[in-house]
Parts: sequence; C-alpha cells; structure tokens
Amino acid sequence: GAVVSQHPSRVICKSGTSVKIECRSLDFQATTMFWYRQFPKQSLMLMATSNEGSKATYEQGVEKDKFLINHASLTLSTLTVTSAHPEDSSFYICSARARQDRGLNEKLFFGSGTQLSVL
Amino acid sequence: RKEVEQDPGPFNVPEGATVAFNCTYSNSASQSFFWYRQDCRKEPKLLMSVYSSGNEDGRFTAQLNRASQYISLLIRDSKLSDSATYLCVVTTDSWGKLQFGAGTQVVVTP
Repeated sequence: GAVVSQHPSRVICKSGTSVKIECRSLDFQATTMFWYRQFPKQSLMLMATSNEGSKATYEQGVEKDKFLINHASLTLSTLTVTSAHPEDSSFYICSARARQDRGLNEKLFFGSGTQLSVL
Repeated sequence: RKEVEQDPGPFNVPEGATVAFNCTYSNSASQSFFWYRQDCRKEPKLLMSVYSSGNEDGRFTAQLNRASQYISLLIRDSKLSDSATYLCVVTTDSWGKLQFGAGTQVVVTP
C-alpha cells in the first residue's frame, strides 16, 4: 500500500541550528504534501501546503522564511526549520495526497512524524 | 471559537463496555468528515469516514448530524487496544484544508 516515509523520527539540536525533515512517498506520486505541527495535547495544525514544482502556501502566522518547504519532485518534500529555537520544539508530521489517476482515492497518507527538541 | 471541538477526555472505559463521544464543527459548509486514531507520538491513522446516513465498521459506528453540526463515534465491546486518542477531522471539500480536532483520549482498562 501507499506509504510516506518521514525522517528523522527524532532530532535534538542546539538553539540556532537548522534542521531538515524529509518526507518521501513510496509507491505513489504525491502531488500535494501537507506539513503539520502538533504540540502536546493539541490538534495537528496545518503549517503549509506544497504542490510539486511550485511554491508552498503557508497558513496565517507561519513564517515562510523560518519554515522552508521544498517539493522538488513528486516523491520528495522537505521542511527545514531554520535557526531553530526552543519554542520550535514540537511534533512535525507530513501527509501526502496521491494523484487521482493512480487509482488511489483521496486519502491522506501520513508520515510517521518527527519529534524536534531544541535545547 | 475553534473550528473543530472535541471533549479531550480521558474517557476511562472498562474492557467490553461501550463508549461514545462527539465532535462539533463550526463551518456549515463542511462536506467531509473522518475519524482518525492517534497513538502517542505516532502518525494519525484513518479509522473511518463518516457518511450522512451513518456507517458502521465492525465495533465502530459513526454518525453525522448536519443540523446540529456534530459527528459522533461509538465503540462497542471495547478492547484494550482501543486505547488511543481519537481525532475528528473535517474538510470543506475533497481537496480542501483538513481541520483537526484536538482529540478525545480513550483509556480502556482491564
């Protein structure tokens, strides 16, 4: 079945460093990738939507210069947290929509998430 | 007001019992509704879509009440493995932004 591979699963970094999170769609082409952030006991909050080959659309209040999203191919999207600070510590998760002509219905396929801890 | 609201729980349920909980949504234009299950620090997994006429999948029954703008999930014959957080998800169209509730925690006890 369709799978989204997300790496790393956990990262601890020092304040001021940048962290890159990758999401790869396996066995299907992800025309749209969504990036979410989840704080403890809170809902998943959509940060941005990216379509392959175009600029990401960021939700209100999300700094696009801080959270860089690249969706250069139909199977890979990356989120880079630049100059991370302790308040950026959170659970980041991606999800992908498959192309309709692949015969896959419009489900979302989630990555396994990345727990970011900034010291 | 949040777009999707859920009782955070926890709902402590004896094994074998029935538990039910609701989720309310504020956007009357919402068209698609889902229940996801999320275990601690794991990705959400689709449990079931919610259809207008209500639907059942094994021990799980989902209902939609458009007039009152809520959906519900009922779990019968609860198993220990049902312990999780159940996320209510709403969207206005097939390709629209998903709105997640914060989740309802269910704890099934022996």
